[in-house]
Amino acid sequence: DTGVSQNPRHKITKRGQNVTFRCDPISEHNRLYWYRQTLGQGPEFLTYFQNEAQLEKSRLLSDRFSAERPKGSFSTLEIQRTEQGDSAMYLCASSLDMAGGYGYGYTFGSGTRLTVV
Amino acid sequence: AQSVTQLDSQVPVFEEAPVELRCNYSSSVSVYLFWYVQYPNQGLQLLLKYLSGSTLVKGINGFEAEFNKSQTSFHLRKPSVHISDTAEYFCAATNAGNMLTFGGGTRLMVKP
Repeated sequence: DTGVSQNPRHKITKRGQNVTFRCDPISEHNRLYWYRQTLGQGPEFLTYFQNEAQLEKSRLLSDRFSAERPKGSFSTLEIQRTEQGDSAMYLCASSLDMAGGYGYGYTFGSGTRLTVV
Repeated sequence: AQSVTQLDSQVPVFEEAPVELRCNYSSSVSVYLFWYVQYPNQGLQLLLKYLSGSTLVKGINGFEAEFNKSQTSFHLRKPSVHISDTAEYFCAATNAGNMLTFGGGTRLMVKP
């Protein structure tokens, strides 16, 4: 078990470009979550999947944000037409949904730091 | 919706002194509570969690927390801190839902 892996670790992009981040959860975890963390703040929930189904996406910040988990394994988060306000750390977490699913907590990856210039 | 408040944004403390990081949450209905630690440029590491049962929860690195339903609090404590405990600490809660709500974080600064 190598934990939750996120790539890339850092991304610098120009305003208006599209970016995509990848998250590989712990293999036996069926739930996957995306959070955004801005400087000096706690993580903010964006969306989550159970297997390949996206069960909550109302917290995605705008229609420029989208996420997929096509085969119930890895997930991608895409931001289209990036803006400077999108600069943040994007965190992925996974958990095992079992009788409530919280027994193991949520395991977080190291995050992808996005800088929009 | 659940909300989480961490009352102190920074807590300076001398090495080997005790420390308490405060956390209050808004709703006790089926609440599950967590403390995470974040070191610079890293993700979040789980320190401890309260799901049910004993209100005193022990975690890693000598930390413990107490669930207090009447005061809607889940304060984190350590009897003797080390320089290596310097980090950002986040309290989080969920109401048996699927979304963790985090507090704003407390920066623990341990001084020699």
